[in-house]
Amino acid sequence: GAVVSQHPSWVICKSGTSVKIECRSLDFQATTMFWYRQFPKQSLMLMATSNEGSKATYEQGVEKDKFLINHASLTLSTLTVTSAHPEDSSFYICSASFAGMIVSYFGPGTRLTVT
Amino acid sequence: KQEVTQIPAALSVPEGENLVLNCSFTDSAIYNLQWFRQDPGKGLTSLLLIQSSQREQTSGRLNASLDKSSGRSTLYIAASQPGDSATYLCAVSGSGGYQKVTFGTGTKLQVIP
Repeated sequence: GAVVSQHPSWVICKSGTSVKIECRSLDFQATTMFWYRQFPKQSLMLMATSNEGSKATYEQGVEKDKFLINHASLTLSTLTVTSAHPEDSSFYICSASFAGMIVSYFGPGTRLTVT
Repeated sequence: KQEVTQIPAALSVPEGENLVLNCSFTDSAIYNLQWFRQDPGKGLTSLLLIQSSQREQTSGRLNASLDKSSGRSTLYIAASQPGDSATYLCAVSGSGGYQKVTFGTGTKLQVIP
């Protein structure tokens, strides 16, 4: 199956700083990437959908100025959490797909802890 | 808006038992349904994928069924093992695009040796 990687797998940052998470499709060109987050003991919630070369579409309640998504190439999307707060501590997972794929493939996730 | 609910939220069974996990969704216009496994602090492992035109899928001790018209799916685990302990997530795609996935609330399974 298709492989999606994320980097870093875990990160600790101080409150007020920004942190970037990368999502890469290793063996296919991803025209669409999705970003999810999972708070402790909760299920995954879609944050935004990004299409290569276009602005991301954010779900209701997700601040687009706080969670910056860039999908500049067919193999890389980045999520930048700006001015991170402790309540942003969460597990962030991306998935990637391309037109014609019947499923999207998920990355292993990135655990963010903001102190 | 699609909503996916899983029952029970938690389940504890002795090793060797057969068990059923339930998933229900509100919008039957789905493209496919997937069952995932998530170990604590880890990512997702895809277990089974059922297309909207299919009724069930099997993989080893796992069998998933889909009744799209009633908005339900079940995951059957035969002869449960301690290694099956994990959280099981049901996810549907279709509303808003076939690649966009809505996850269920999850069932946390513990298999006691």
